[in-house]
This record gives sequence, C-alpha cells and structure tokens, in this order.
Amino acid sequence: GAVVSQHPSRVICKSGTSVKIECRSLDFQATTMFWYRQFPKQSLMLMATSNEGSKATYEQGVEKDKFLINHASLTLSTLTVTSAHPEDSSFYICSAPEEGRNQPQHFGDGTRLSIL
Amino acid sequence: DQQVKQNSPSLSVQEGRISILNCDYTNSMFDYFLWYKKYPAEGPTFLISISSIKDKNEDGRFTVFLNKSAKHLSLHIVPSQPGDSAVYFCAPQWGGGNKLTFGTGTQLKVEL
Repeated sequence: GAVVSQHPSRVICKSGTSVKIECRSLDFQATTMFWYRQFPKQSLMLMATSNEGSKATYEQGVEKDKFLINHASLTLSTLTVTSAHPEDSSFYICSAPEEGRNQPQHFGDGTRLSIL
Repeated sequence: DQQVKQNSPSLSVQEGRISILNCDYTNSMFDYFLWYKKYPAEGPTFLISISSIKDKNEDGRFTVFLNKSAKHLSLHIVPSQPGDSAVYFCAPQWGGGNKLTFGTGTQLKVEL
C-alpha cells in the first residue's frame, strides 16, 4: 500500500536552532501534503497545506515565517521550524492523500521535536 | 472552536465484546467522514470511511454509522481484540479536498 516516510523521527536540539523535517511519499505522487502538530493527549491540529510548485497555505494562527514549508517535488515536502524555542516542542506529523476525491490520507510516523 | 468532538476520552472494553466510539460534529459542510487509529509515537492509519449519502458502511469487524440530522457518527468494533487498543480519531472533510478536521480522540483499551 501507499507509504509516507517522515524523517527524522526524533530531534533534540538547543533553543535557537532551525530544524528541518522531511516528508516523502514513497510509491505515489502527492501534489498536496499536510502538516499537523499534536500536543500531548490532544488532537492533531492542521498547521498548513503544502502545495507542489506553489506557496503553502497556513491555518489561522500558524506563523508562516516560523514554520517554513517547501514542496519542491511531487514526492517531497519539508517543514523547517526556524529558530526553535521550547514552546515549539511537539509531535509533528505529515500526511499525503493519493490523487482523487475523498482519498484516505497516508501519514508519516511523526517527528518528536524537543527544544532544550 | 472544536468542530469535531469525541466526548469519551477513554473507553475500556472486554475482549470479544463490542466497542462503540462516538463522534459529534457541528459543521454541516462535512460530507465525508473517516476514522483513523493511532498508536503512540506513530502516525494515524486509516480504518474506515463513510460518505454523507450513506448511513452505514461495514468492513469486517468495523462498522461506521452516520446520522446526518443529529450530526453524529459512531464506530462499532465487534468482536473487540487486544490489538484494537489505540487512540481512535474521527476526521471529517468536505468538498473532496482531503483536508481533515480531527476529533479529540478516544483511547480504547481492550482487556483480556
């Protein structure tokens, strides 16, 4: 079946560091990918929609300069958390739907980001 | 503003019995409803879905029921198995655009 690979699975770094997270669709093309954030014991909150070849669409309240998204190819989207601070520590998950209406999304295994 | 609510944060069921997970939504634009299962430190995996033109969809041990007038859906798992222990999210979408709105989740524990 369709697989989405997310890397790295865990990052621990100092405050002020920028961190890049990659999301790849391994056996299908994805013109759209989604980035979510999940706080402990809470739901997944959509941060932004990554669009291949164009700018990402951010949800209300998400700082686009803080969370840079690049979708340079049909199989890769990256999320860069710039100048990360402890409050950015969270579980970040990407997803990609297969082409077509109402297709289930395939999720990566997430990235646990811890900022010291 | 939480558009999708799963009012039971946790549910404990004995192996072999039925598990019923509920989900309520407020946005009448939702026209496609998906259920995802999630284990700790992993991404969600798709379980089952239902279109707004239907009121029931069945796949093996899993059945989803939709009551559009009540803006309510439920996931039935029978018989429940220990491997079903996970967090379950309902996630509606609308317009065919694949943009999901996740519910608050229900932690299901199936006990031996």
